[in-house]
Amino acid sequence: DAGVIQSPRHEVTEMGQEVTLRCKPISGHNSLFWYRQTMMRGLELLIYFNNNVPIDDSGMPEDRFSAKMPNASFSTLKIQPSEPRDSAVYFCASSRQGLSTDTQYFGPGTRLTVL
Amino acid sequence: AQSVTQLGSHVSVSEGALVLLRCNYSSSVPPYLFWYVQYPNQGLQLLLKYTSAATLVKGINGFEAEFKKSETSFHLTKPSAHMSDAAEYFCAVSSGGTSYGKLTFGQGTILTVHP
Repeated sequence: DAGVIQSPRHEVTEMGQEVTLRCKPISGHNSLFWYRQTMMRGLELLIYFNNNVPIDDSGMPEDRFSAKMPNASFSTLKIQPSEPRDSAVYFCASSRQGLSTDTQYFGPGTRLTVL
Repeated sequence: AQSVTQLGSHVSVSEGALVLLRCNYSSSVPPYLFWYVQYPNQGLQLLLKYTSAATLVKGINGFEAEFKKSETSFHLTKPSAHMSDAAEYFCAVSSGGTSYGKLTFGQGTILTVHP
């Protein structure tokens, strides 16, 4: 079975440019999570979707960040405009129902570098 | 509120030696606890989880962890380290008190295995 798929795997961009990260969750999973990993702050939850609806976006850093889930098999995380401090590894994860006991399955991540 | 503390950001062992990675949690409601492993340039993979059944949990690759409520701990162990165990390990807590499985991660412990 295919796991969580993320694209691109690496992204290098210049400050001020728009960046779009993509995620395809595991088929049949109805919960999707976006995380950011940095050396300074570790793993942080950015946003959680359940049945394509954003449930908790309290971790989204600021208005420059936005996330969408137009259907059950696709989600995007957009940064506009990007800044050097956005450089990090961004992970997408999915779980069956989003319950506290559910396992979250992580994608391979997108390494973003903003120059 | 929930939190996780992993004692020791780096642990080094010899091949064949006992592996012990420490995790303490804080949660105002009964917790569910997870250990994930991250190999270089990869996403996180579940090792094992505690969801209020048996307090001794066995996972993949010979790892196990014991939930100790009195000590608020969930330490990860493996009797004999293998070179392939070298990775970063994350402890995470999710509580039934939240409306969904929001994971709070520790800062991670990098395990080095010497030949």
